[in-house]
Amino acid sequence: EVQLLESGGGLVQPGGSLRLSCAASGFTFSTYAMSWVRQAPGKGLEWVSVVSAGGVGTYYADSVKGRFTISRDNSKNTLYLQMSSLRAEDTAVYYCARDIYDTSGYFANWGQGTLVTVSS
Amino acid sequence: DIQMTQSPSTLSASVGDRLTITCRASQSISSWLAWYQQKPGKAPKLLIYKASSLESGVPSRFSGSGSGTEFTLTISSLQPDDFATYYCQQYNSYSRTFGQGTKVEIK
Repeated sequence: EVQLLESGGGLVQPGGSLRLSCAASGFTFSTYAMSWVRQAPGKGLEWVSVVSAGGVGTYYADSVKGRFTISRDNSKNTLYLQMSSLRAEDTAVYYCARDIYDTSGYFANWGQGTLVTVSS
Repeated sequence: DIQMTQSPSTLSASVGDRLTITCRASQSISSWLAWYQQKPGKAPKLLIYKASSLESGVPSRFSGSGSGTEFTLTISSLQPDDFATYYCQQYNSYSRTFGQGTKVEIK
């Protein structure tokens, strides 16, 4: 059974930094691209970033480009999202998701999400 | 980015009803479209991919159709477990985008 477990969310001040993690199990992690998708309170879904299976290719939504960095450690089956220069509008539940069709696919599996709140 | 527009935004229905939700893309995405179901406080769940392929384990009352810029999700006979919010998502490129969601409420 595929399992994705996010951690690292919390309350952070505007301008601060936070690193999210996503521990994966139940599939061969190193053969799938992985994404982060977020959902602001009461709002819809927004794709944030994707990293290729090998970790070389990375892409970002314009809203986070230059502030967020996605990475992965295939030896630990773990996905990361380093977030810096955080803004109030980054407040959301952040989900990690398993990508199908490399870095341009749909999301077959989702974690339970971790809440990031940016507020002073 | 490709914009995805769903209609309606809210839909009131009864158990047993047949439901259709529409999703339109701002440009052609061939059949690169997925549908998800989300319940309050839960992660989205994949229902349909490649416009009309049913994900394993999803009940057959769910079906998808369309190509190019217009797509539909149909629930043939609404069940109590189906009251939720539904999202379409295009994957024509790495910059994936979602529709704004359609909330299915109990009439």
